[in-house]
Amino acid sequence: NAGVTQTPKFQVLKTGQSMTLQCAQDMNHNSMYWYRQDPGMGLRLIYYSASEGTTDKGEVPNGYNVSRLNKREFSLRLESAAPSQTSVYFCASNSFLVGVRNQPQHFGDGTRLSIL
Amino acid sequence: AQKVTQAQTEISVVEKEDVTLDCVYETRDTTYYLFWYKQPPSGELVFLIRRNSFDEQNEISGRYSWNFQKSTSSFNFTITASQVVDSAVYFCALSEATGTASKLTFGTGTRLQVTL
Repeated sequence: NAGVTQTPKFQVLKTGQSMTLQCAQDMNHNSMYWYRQDPGMGLRLIYYSASEGTTDKGEVPNGYNVSRLNKREFSLRLESAAPSQTSVYFCASNSFLVGVRNQPQHFGDGTRLSIL
Repeated sequence: AQKVTQAQTEISVVEKEDVTLDCVYETRDTTYYLFWYKQPPSGELVFLIRRNSFDEQNEISGRYSWNFQKSTSSFNFTITASQVVDSAVYFCALSEATGTASKLTFGTGTRLQVTL
């Protein structure tokens, strides 16, 4: 009963390095999301994917790219990491269809990313 | 733009006290959803409740209760007879009901500390 699985759980990078955060869900959800959590700021949406093959920007997309590899997997890439991207990153998924259903989002356990 | 305000940054109570966490939201949508999530010290996000904008009935689940008042744009959360295990950060969140996915706008969270 895995739910939403994120890898890695912890990572330290140097400024300028690149990295991909992985996310997979086994609940057959159509929508997936990436958020970042910073102290005192709650969670903010980076990118989302309403369905396989589509991705859209959220509130704070600069410096990130995403790929919806298939229905299960949604990855987040930092091409050139910056100290301002030090954060805890959460992946989430849900089943959503406008006017029909809006299930609560299920979250992974998060990835703690530090950029030196 | 949507906004969620949790004015209480941190609350400390003694076990068995009742405590209310405030949430005020702003949205131009007539149809929307409100959520509460709990983030215990272990860091994961746990879904507590979802309420749509057409359902103003209060809800009680064990020691937890929620008061939704559309007239004041508030969705407050009360814990009755608090316990140490209730110590966590609690987030209120809002999502629109239109669009292609249920993008969440989070408040900045209220840290609840329950002591013996």
